[in-house]
Amino acid sequence: GAGVSQSPSNKVTEKGKDVELRCDPISGHTALYWYRQSLGQGLEFLIYFQGNSAPDKSGLPSDRFSAERTGGSVSTLTIQRTQQEDSAVYLCASSYSPGISSYEQYFGPGTRLTVT
Amino acid sequence: SQQGEEDPQALSIQEGENATMNCSYKTSINNLQWYRQNSGRGLVHLILIRSNEREKHSGRLRVTLDTSKKSSSLLITASRAADTASYFCATDGNSNSGYALNFGKGTSLLVTP
Repeated sequence: GAGVSQSPSNKVTEKGKDVELRCDPISGHTALYWYRQSLGQGLEFLIYFQGNSAPDKSGLPSDRFSAERTGGSVSTLTIQRTQQEDSAVYLCASSYSPGISSYEQYFGPGTRLTVT
Repeated sequence: SQQGEEDPQALSIQEGENATMNCSYKTSINNLQWYRQNSGRGLVHLILIRSNEREKHSGRLRVTLDTSKKSSSLLITASRAADTASYFCATDGNSNSGYALNFGKGTSLLVTP
């Protein structure tokens, strides 16, 4: 079946502009995660959605970052007033409902964001 | 915050040799997972080992887990050039979200023909 898809694959924007990144999770996966990966680094957790519950936003680095998940499926990560330090690859992942412990997560190909 | 730390940071071997990567973590976990990443893009799940398991195999992969030492190892046997990638361990159970994974910085593996 189809995997996690993300768009755009690459985004170049000027400092101060807003950007929207999109994620389509695997059908049937109720959990959706956003991570950020800076050059040569591991993944940094940003936000987690589970079904219709309120999202866990504890990883968002500032109030310029926000995310929505409509209808329990597609998610959009919005970065307002982008800064150069926002440049990174933004990865989306989905999984079955975690339950007691996490399941394996399926990752999209990522969106490479460059802020000039 | 990052909990897992992989060691070594980089590893270069020849095809046919075995590659061993280690991961250490700091707090209690429910499970530990290993992922592979090619060309700095999407990650692929390799194997999951639960906290009550000590060893797990999947094809040419062998993972061990020592919860008393808070460490895990990933062994790739009979490596191939296609195994060239970055390998990350990821833990759950104590992240801010409770379910999101904590990733280390990864081990960069180069397998030369």
